[in-house]
Amino acid sequence: SAVISQKPSRDICQRGTSLTIQCQVDSQVTMMFWYRQQPGQSLTLIATANQGSEATYESGFVIDKFPISRPNLTFSTLTVSNMSPEDSSIYLCSVQGLAGGRGTDTQYFGPGTRLTVL
Amino acid sequence: GNSVTQMEGPVTLSEEAFLTINCTYTATGYPSLFWYVQYPGEGLQLLLKATKADDKGSNKGFEATYRKETTSFHLEKGSVQVSDSAVYFCALMHPNAGGTSYGKLTFGQGTILTVHP
Repeated sequence: SAVISQKPSRDICQRGTSLTIQCQVDSQVTMMFWYRQQPGQSLTLIATANQGSEATYESGFVIDKFPISRPNLTFSTLTVSNMSPEDSSIYLCSVQGLAGGRGTDTQYFGPGTRLTVL
Repeated sequence: GNSVTQMEGPVTLSEEAFLTINCTYTATGYPSLFWYVQYPGEGLQLLLKATKADDKGSNKGFEATYRKETTSFHLEKGSVQVSDSAVYFCALMHPNAGGTSYGKLTFGQGTILTVHP
């Protein structure tokens, strides 16, 4: 599997501000995804981060609120914009499709970013 | 659409007890099925997977068999340990419209497992 890191690991933010979360992989991957896990809940896919083009968002998530970048095959960012307390969640990135054709049907997850909005 | 239903939790067991966490799914075609585990304060780790009917995934003493006839992927372990205390998520991945292996995951609601000494 790949080694996936996220920064920051946690943060406490004021409402109305924005936070950018970084996801770094130690090898090139085909697909990168961003998920949200609200307190005590399961994971919900926010979007697929596409390299060199706009992300593909799931129903209920929009680019203005969650802009995503993916400048290359090992890095992506998710920004949570104009935050409110309802955005308090764990945000996780995941990857699929590792170099050499490995892991094409499996997603591996980063450690997550725990966000609290006051 | 695709969906995954897990048994209601939380589940509390004594060490060395037998564990079953039920998981059933709804999907068209032939999805791949996964169990992920989330230990306290950590991200998700892949526990095991099965990609076709009758496949058995296994890891760390855990097993699950892909049963297409009952659309189920129940997780079992013969003797749980305190260190198995975590949240367990069942998930499915359906191939995308292009027919490739890449597809988004749909998760169940998660089952909290607590094992007491």
